[in-house]
Amino acid sequence: GENVEQHPSTLSVQEGDSAVIKCTYSDSASNYFPWYKQELGKRPQLIIDIRSNVGEKKDQRIAVTLNKTAKHFSLHITETQPEDSAVYFCAAPSEGGATNKLIFGTGTLLAVQP
Amino acid sequence: EADIYQTPRYLVIGTGKKITLECSQTMGHDKMYWYQQDPGMELHLIHYSYGVNSTEKGDLSSESTVSRIRTEHFPLTLESARPSHTSQYLCASSGTSGRAYEQYFGPGTRLTVT
Repeated sequence: GENVEQHPSTLSVQEGDSAVIKCTYSDSASNYFPWYKQELGKRPQLIIDIRSNVGEKKDQRIAVTLNKTAKHFSLHITETQPEDSAVYFCAAPSEGGATNKLIFGTGTLLAVQP
Repeated sequence: EADIYQTPRYLVIGTGKKITLECSQTMGHDKMYWYQQDPGMELHLIHYSYGVNSTEKGDLSSESTVSRIRTEHFPLTLESARPSHTSQYLCASSGTSGRAYEQYFGPGTRLTVT
């Protein structure tokens, strides 16, 4: 089955700096890679996703890059703001996409210092 | 407005009690999920349903049980609560075809067993 590793577990940046969170996956058949943001006391929310037919996707200050050869994908947040402080989870399809289940990474606690 | 609802949001209960955590969605989704999330942040899938009368256990062993009699309803039951069941329980759902992997989460139930 799929295995997803996420690093770092905690990340502290100054407001305005960039933040990068990296994930690796094990199943080369995986074809969908979402990122979720969970603010303190709230539900996880999908913020961006990428499919295996593209290498990069951007949405304002956030972007995701995918390297299928190396089997890793990354979340990039530019010009960080205090409201970006949250736990971020990456995920990949379980069982190579044979089901709709997702395997989540262990999460990254991002703290943006004003 | 289409959403996922969970009740109760908070529950404190004594050891040995039977409890049911409710989850319902008005998203029109066929797949539903239960996750357990401890303070260490990780999301662990404990139950999964493809549709009515179809349920499977997830990757993390759980003493809870689920049922799926109606498409929109996916309750989780603990027959005899124990302190080790103290956790946050998140319900999620996803749809079909091109957006099948996109999971939407409910607000969660924070359970404390004393």
